[in-house]
Amino acid sequence: AQKVTQAQTEISVVEKEDVTLDCVYETRDTTYYLFWYKQPPSGELVFLIRRNSFDEQNEISGRYSWNFQKSTSSFNFTITASQVVDSAVYFCALSEAYGGSQGNLIFGKGTKLSVKP
Amino acid sequence: GAGVSQSPSNKVTEKGKDVELRCDPISGHTALYWYRQSLGQGLEFLIYFQGNSAPDKSGLPSDRFSAERTGGSVSTLTIQRTQQEDSAVYLCASSLEGGGSGNTIYFGEGSWLTVV
Repeated sequence: AQKVTQAQTEISVVEKEDVTLDCVYETRDTTYYLFWYKQPPSGELVFLIRRNSFDEQNEISGRYSWNFQKSTSSFNFTITASQVVDSAVYFCALSEAYGGSQGNLIFGKGTKLSVKP
Repeated sequence: GAGVSQSPSNKVTEKGKDVELRCDPISGHTALYWYRQSLGQGLEFLIYFQGNSAPDKSGLPSDRFSAERTGGSVSTLTIQRTQQEDSAVYLCASSLEGGGSGNTIYFGEGSWLTVV
């Protein structure tokens, strides 16, 4: 069965600290896609990154970086030098190419990040 | 439009009334999804459209919920005889293709429904 686990419910850091949000997934598909979304207090889900199962290269975008490790079924997200504007709920999600989910996103429960000045 | 558009943004309705929520996907996107986000419940899949057909309705919580899509574009989610437990944010999303293509799914701002 497909599943996404975000074990950290809430994290609180002080501005400029680095923070890593964990994501562990389960799937039987060999082809799948992983996503991170940000949900600020306004409520809209903002797409951050998409990764397919054949591309294990880590990615960096400004202060954001992602570490994809198939061996541990993890797709962790690190924010370097966090800022108050990073405060949001972050969701990790899985989409399968052939599984019964029809390609829909299977979400983790989210991690609420609070960055204090 | 440039993004997924949903209306109304906010809706307060009395228990037992019917409500309709509308979604206008990104132009050219053939796949459309409805999700629900209840307080403390995470994101719950409701239904998926590919074109005008719905190959996956497995997430609709009861027969009070229905959805349709016309012209391969706009979709309407209807909740009949609303109950207080229907109070949630209803999120619509779209992607170029669905069905396991792995295309990025983009979300609207949601319709906040409160049943009193």
